[in-house]
Amino acid sequence: DTAVSQTPKYLVTQMGNDKSIKCEQNLGHDTMYWYKQDSKKFLKIMFSYNNKELIINETVPNRFSPKSPDKAHLNLHINSLELGDSAVYFCASSQVSGGHGTYNSPLHFGNGTRLTVT
Amino acid sequence: KQEVTQIPAALSVPEGENLVLNCSFTDSAIYNLQWFRQDPGKGLTSLLLIQSSQREQTSGRLNASLDKSSGRSTLYIAASQPGDSATYLCAVRRRNAGNMLTFGGGTRLMVKP
Repeated sequence: DTAVSQTPKYLVTQMGNDKSIKCEQNLGHDTMYWYKQDSKKFLKIMFSYNNKELIINETVPNRFSPKSPDKAHLNLHINSLELGDSAVYFCASSQVSGGHGTYNSPLHFGNGTRLTVT
Repeated sequence: KQEVTQIPAALSVPEGENLVLNCSFTDSAIYNLQWFRQDPGKGLTSLLLIQSSQREQTSGRLNASLDKSSGRSTLYIAASQPGDSATYLCAVRRRNAGNMLTFGGGTRLMVKP
């Protein structure tokens, strides 16, 4: 009865390929996120998305694009993969309410997708 | 720009010891601060969330405090157990930064039997 689920768990691919990682949450949250954890275990936000706006961390290359078919899904599509894209990618969700998002419920994370680009 | 630092980076203690993990942040204009644990090969599990108007939160053997004016939070773990071994991360949600969290680098905790 997983709250936030990601697929695949492991993804090995070659440079230049295009790949997608899927994420689904069954918590009824209105906001979903993608995070990248590099080899030094540092977590960095990539995107924040709800049905009203997409916020992009300015350091994210435009080869990365989130796609949300509905409120419960936020997939991550990556074009022209590079060696430096190898990392663990985490999806997360939360409920945001109040003016300017003054309340944010605890984030719930998926178990991650380990991407290896060769 | 918000920067979050966690000290120490790694900690090894014998079972039963009480311990404190530290988190500091540079921009005190935050909505909330959250503590997570991450087990190897797993995602993050939320432990405690402190809203900016609160000073502490407790859950079982865990107590987290927040001093917004000084940019500090501590996570206190009482009577540590080997099952507490994991990486502990703190993250802050800054005002005017959408709904995104900024994470510290984590403290890797090992509790020895």
